[in-house]
Amino acid sequence: SQTIHQWPATLVQPVGSPLSLECTVEGTSNPNLYWYRQAAGRGLQLLFYSVGIGQISSEVPQNLSASRPQDRQFILSSKKLLLSDSGFYLCAWGDRRSSYEQYFGPGTRLTVT
Amino acid sequence: QKEVEQNSGPLSVPEGAIASLNCTYSDRGSQSFFWYRQYSGKSPELIMFIYSNGDKEDGRFTAQLNKASQYVSLLIRDSQPSDSATYLCAVIPSGGYQKVTFGTGTKLQVIP
Repeated sequence: SQTIHQWPATLVQPVGSPLSLECTVEGTSNPNLYWYRQAAGRGLQLLFYSVGIGQISSEVPQNLSASRPQDRQFILSSKKLLLSDSGFYLCAWGDRRSSYEQYFGPGTRLTVT
Repeated sequence: QKEVEQNSGPLSVPEGAIASLNCTYSDRGSQSFFWYRQYSGKSPELIMFIYSNGDKEDGRFTAQLNKASQYVSLLIRDSQPSDSATYLCAVIPSGGYQKVTFGTGTKLQVIP
């Protein structure tokens, strides 16, 4: 079966500090990978998606970046965090073998102070 | 016009009743449709997906798709307090399978 991991689970960072969130998927190969952000009480905002190693599509221009150094690894980064970066960050993988449904990791709750 | 629209709720139903959650979408060429359940503070969990007109049943859950009217619904039979959560509708639009468009969700409260 497939499993998706995210860490850390929670993070409190000061404004202007860097960020690195990691996501890994087990039990599948060549998945589509996604980063979403969900602000408190809001819907899911797609930040980045990737269809392969080194292939990143950005949905929202901001101070975040993403990388996919390995087939099942997806990293979200920032050089300098803003207060508005606070939120619930979710990684998901998409199943190309089925109906492209997406499965979410447990998420990282980021608070920028 | 939002691409995927849901009533934010809350939708309150008594325990044991049928909960009906609705979703409309604007892209007539949309291809696949998904329902997710999200408990407070947790990540979304896929409940069902449907891509053909009609009904699809899985246990207490039934997804209904009507492409002509551009709506998809989720029925939960014999609602339980543990069903209380926010339900997200998601749609794969025309033009590719890389992205899914999510609605903002309907909050369901099942009253014991």
